[in-house]
Amino acid sequence: KQEVTQIPAALSVPEGENLVLNCSFTDSAIYNLQWFRQDPGKGLTSLLLIQSSQREQTSGRLNASLDKSSGRSTLYIAASQPGDSATYLCAVKGSSGAGSYQLTFGKGTKLSVIP
Amino acid sequence: GAGVSQTPSNKVTEKGKYVELRCDPISGHTALYWYRQSLGQGPEFLIYFQGTGAADDSGLPNDRFFAVRPEGSVSTLKIQRTERGDSAVYLCASSPLGSRATGELFFGEGSRLTVL
Repeated sequence: KQEVTQIPAALSVPEGENLVLNCSFTDSAIYNLQWFRQDPGKGLTSLLLIQSSQREQTSGRLNASLDKSSGRSTLYIAASQPGDSATYLCAVKGSSGAGSYQLTFGKGTKLSVIP
Repeated sequence: GAGVSQTPSNKVTEKGKYVELRCDPISGHTALYWYRQSLGQGPEFLIYFQGTGAADDSGLPNDRFFAVRPEGSVSTLKIQRTERGDSAVYLCASSPLGSRATGELFFGEGSRLTVL
């Protein structure tokens, strides 16, 4: 059974710092990996999607990398802003069987960017 | 609409009552998912529809939970004899299928259920 772990559970940084959020998964047979942002009391907003054949994806100040063989992904946020404060969730979709349509989520990293 | 729409956004009910939660996916998205998120946890899979049929309902916790998607678009999650432990945010997501689909899921804002 796929398990996804996100470290750290919470992170507080001053505005302007670059930061890295970590995600690890136990089964490397994945179809893709998706990073989401969740604001308090809100749904999930998709940030970046990395297919299993890709190494990284970039969108603005965000860069996500994927090392499938080692079961790891990182989300890099450059020049953090108070508006980046949210919970960031990592999710993987399996490549076969039941996991081929289920997303397995980590518990998230709660980010606070201090002005 | 442009995104996944879920209603109601908030539902407060008493233990033992029946509840229906509705999801209107992005137009043209064949795949529809229900997830449940408890406080401080990541979302957990409940059920997956491919068109009108439930391709996988292995995440439904027990037979009090049921979901339908009769015309392959709008879906309703139904919870009978609600219990306090059912309190959570119920999230719906949709995704296009087909050879060009990336497998990306698009989530709604969720329905927050509170069982008193």
